[in-house]
Amino acid sequence: TQLLEQSPQFLSIQEGENLTVYCNSSSVFSSLQWYRQEPGEGPVLLVTVVTGGEVKKLKRLTFQFGDARKDSSLHITAAQPGDTGLYLCAGFYNFNKFYFGSGTKLNVKP
Amino acid sequence: NAGVMQNPRHLVRRRGQEARLRCSPMKGHSHVYWYRQLPEEGLKFMVYLQKENIIDESGMPKERFSAEFPKEGPSILRIQQVVRGDSAAYFCASSPTGNLGDQPQHFGDGTRLSIL
Repeated sequence: TQLLEQSPQFLSIQEGENLTVYCNSSSVFSSLQWYRQEPGEGPVLLVTVVTGGEVKKLKRLTFQFGDARKDSSLHITAAQPGDTGLYLCAGFYNFNKFYFGSGTKLNVKP
Repeated sequence: NAGVMQNPRHLVRRRGQEARLRCSPMKGHSHVYWYRQLPEEGLKFMVYLQKENIIDESGMPKERFSAEFPKEGPSILRIQQVVRGDSAAYFCASSPTGNLGDQPQHFGDGTRLSIL
């Protein structure tokens, strides 16, 4: 069983569209991170959210941490082909390790 | 480039052989984490090490798998008597402290292990 469930698993959209990716759990996390991973490479950290209800913006990406710190969302505005990749959420739990979600594979078509 | 270095990038082994995966953390980082990733899936935690100590190996199979992070040299993930199910990408990450709530992990580009 996954501690963190991500949805959708796959997403294929046209350039310019908006999208939201969700990361849900029944557990409370002290912090949560979002990563992007491209084929053949390691994950690259996008953002860390720590406080319940926190919202962080990174250019066209908006990250939100749920009030209860059990869920998070990533919203991309006006998606571009360069946004294509595997988006992973990871929750910091049980002192010293992160649990990763199963990922959302995003394909943005030009 | 002072990033996390993993080698080899690709490793092919036959069933029953041993696989050794190496990870050199970023300069100044003394905490190393190993993860395993199957295609189209997220990363599964395997083991967390500091220099000369295994802190948490709860994600690592009890048999055939071992990890070390010696005082000098890279961290090694060793898989003995490999089986087809060991085929995966193995990622190493490092951080300056063990407080991952505040300090980000920096990932290497992984070792892709293929078992024939």
